[in-house]
Amino acid sequence: KQEVTQIPAALSVPEGENLVLNCSFTDSAIYNLQWFRQDPGKGLTSLLLIQSSQREQTSGRLNASLDKSSGRSTLYIAASQPGDSATYLCAAGTNDYKLSFGAGTTVTVRA
Amino acid sequence: EAQVTQNPRYLITVTGKKLTVTCSQNMNHEYMSWYRQDPGLGLRQIYYSMNVEVTDKGDVPEGYKVSRKEKRNFPLILESPSPNQTSLYFCASSPPRDAYTDTQYFGPGTRLTVL
Repeated sequence: KQEVTQIPAALSVPEGENLVLNCSFTDSAIYNLQWFRQDPGKGLTSLLLIQSSQREQTSGRLNASLDKSSGRSTLYIAASQPGDSATYLCAAGTNDYKLSFGAGTTVTVRA
Repeated sequence: EAQVTQNPRYLITVTGKKLTVTCSQNMNHEYMSWYRQDPGLGLRQIYYSMNVEVTDKGDVPEGYKVSRKEKRNFPLILESPSPNQTSLYFCASSPPRDAYTDTQYFGPGTRLTVL
């Protein structure tokens, strides 16, 4: 059974600092690795999806890397802003659409 | 606008009173799924459906039922709710694997409290 872990559970940084969020998974036989953002009282918004054959994906200030062999993914957010405050979830996906989620990292960016 | 909708968004009920949470998507997706989210546990899959009339159990199906009579709708049924089903519930849908994206689209969530 896939186990996904996100450390730390919470993170507080001053505005402008780069953020590094970690995700580890136990079964390297994944189809993809996805990062989501969750705002309080809202649903999940997909940020980045990395296929199992890829090493990284980038979107604006966000960059996600994937190392299947070591069971790790990292989400980098450059030059953080208060609007980046949210909970970030990673999920390991299988080829039959199943997603195994981590518990999330709650980020607070202080102005 | 492409979206997944859930109703109700908030619900407080009592133990044993049957309830249904509706989920609807307008993207013609075949795959739909229900998750529950509890503090410190992340999202856990309850049931999923690969297509109309095809449903299967996820990781935590006990106490829940689903049906998929139409492609767009995937209701979650709690026949006899209990306090341990107090949680935040999300419905999601996904395009087929050969689409331009594999990501799942999530509804806004339903916060259920069972007293």
